[in-house]
Amino acid sequence: QSALTQPPSASGSPGQSVTISCTGTSSDVGGYKYVSWYQHHPGKAPKLMIYEVNKRPSGVPDRFSGSKSGNTASLTVSELQAEDEANYYCSSYAGSNNLEFGGGTKLTVL
Amino acid sequence: EVQVVESGGGLVKPGGSLRLSCAASGFTFSDYSMNWVRQAPGKGLEWVSLISGSGGYVYYAGSMKGRFTVSRDNARNSLFLQMTSLRAEDTAVYYCARLVGGYASDYWGQGTLVTVSS
Repeated sequence: QSALTQPPSASGSPGQSVTISCTGTSSDVGGYKYVSWYQHHPGKAPKLMIYEVNKRPSGVPDRFSGSKSGNTASLTVSELQAEDEANYYCSSYAGSNNLEFGGGTKLTVL
Repeated sequence: EVQVVESGGGLVKPGGSLRLSCAASGFTFSDYSMNWVRQAPGKGLEWVSLISGSGGYVYYAGSMKGRFTVSRDNARNSLFLQMTSLRAEDTAVYYCARLVGGYASDYWGQGTLVTVSS
């Protein structure tokens, strides 16, 4: 069982927006500004999409955005495109140099 | 171009050992902490271990402590994970990844599969 809770699935039609949540505790998500989001197509290397809650690495479209409120972080994908279909994982620093991941959310573009 | 490439996976019997390697290129290896993350079949990502750029600081997820040892050779731009007392539940694809600010991993390899089975 993963330390961070994500919905197992999410979906949206092309052009729509979808938000994926990541719920932890005050010892991880709520306690640090170190939440990251990864996109993972099966069989490929995971890709960093968001770091430090809401920062985008170079090359990541601004359709991807991150936020946090209390113990819950969120990833919003706007203007959904077919290539956004993938598994998304959140990660949070949990103190004492420990990292945690969520169980992953499978995003389906209808 | 930044690249990390894992190797060393394979089939091992329960109780056995295996050493994974990760070859890094395209960046000053010693400037970066690195970590190992794994994914069991049908499961999500799980953090395994982290090592500082100098190799002086190492950290492990709870279930790996005492069984796994992370190390690095900065002269050879290489990261290692020595795994002992392997269990069936250690079966997974193991990824190495470069750690950047905010404990995020910005470059990942394609992973190497470790299967623990008799």
